[in-house]
Amino acid sequence: DIVMTQTPLSLSVTPGQPASISCKSSQSLLHGDGKTYLYWYLQKSGQSPQLLIYEVSSRFSGVPDRFSGSGSGTDFTLKISRVEAEDVGVYYCMQGIYLRAFGQGTRLEIK
Amino acid sequence: QVQLQESGPGLVKPSGTLSLTCAVSGGSISSDEWWTWVRQPPEKGLEWIGEIYHSGSTNYNSSLKSRVTISVDKSKNQFSLKLSSVTAADTAMYYCALWNIWGQGTMVTVSS
Repeated sequence: DIVMTQTPLSLSVTPGQPASISCKSSQSLLHGDGKTYLYWYLQKSGQSPQLLIYEVSSRFSGVPDRFSGSGSGTDFTLKISRVEAEDVGVYYCMQGIYLRAFGQGTRLEIK
Repeated sequence: QVQLQESGPGLVKPSGTLSLTCAVSGGSISSDEWWTWVRQPPEKGLEWIGEIYHSGSTNYNSSLKSRVTISVDKSKNQFSLKLSSVTAADTAMYYCALWNIWGQGTMVTVSS
């Protein structure tokens, strides 16, 4: 099974400052169709997860452009260019190439 | 816009079978999608349970495979989850989802 490892597990960020979360997979997420099946979700307190990024770097509809995804193969990063109070929650990466698996989650809080 | 709504008993006895249904509205369960179940124990992370295609093809988490059955009912535009031999460790919020849309979730507690 593919294992997803996120770092850090928590981070505290001052509003307006950038934030970065790393996600590493135990196997390459590059599919034979040329796509890389890596997703990022945000789960706000008391809510269902919401999709932010799909296929490494494509922002889902309505997601602010301060969110960006990058990476390839087994190493991926979610960046928030300027953190806002509404970005608080737990961020999960998920692989979709072989079954599905989530990272442990990264809790973002505001300083 | 597709919407998903979970339903089922909120309390299941140990060694019993957990049964949940996800009603699909605003779209057809026969569309080209994998319909998914995910769970989240209290104060813990997300765990993928499994998925089904409208043809009936399924994929399951290897750690749960021996206890999980996911099925689809095209006539009712819904899909279902059955988890057998439950223990307290199966207490969780259970979500049905597509890759881009999630239901609100339903809390299931395993207790006598």
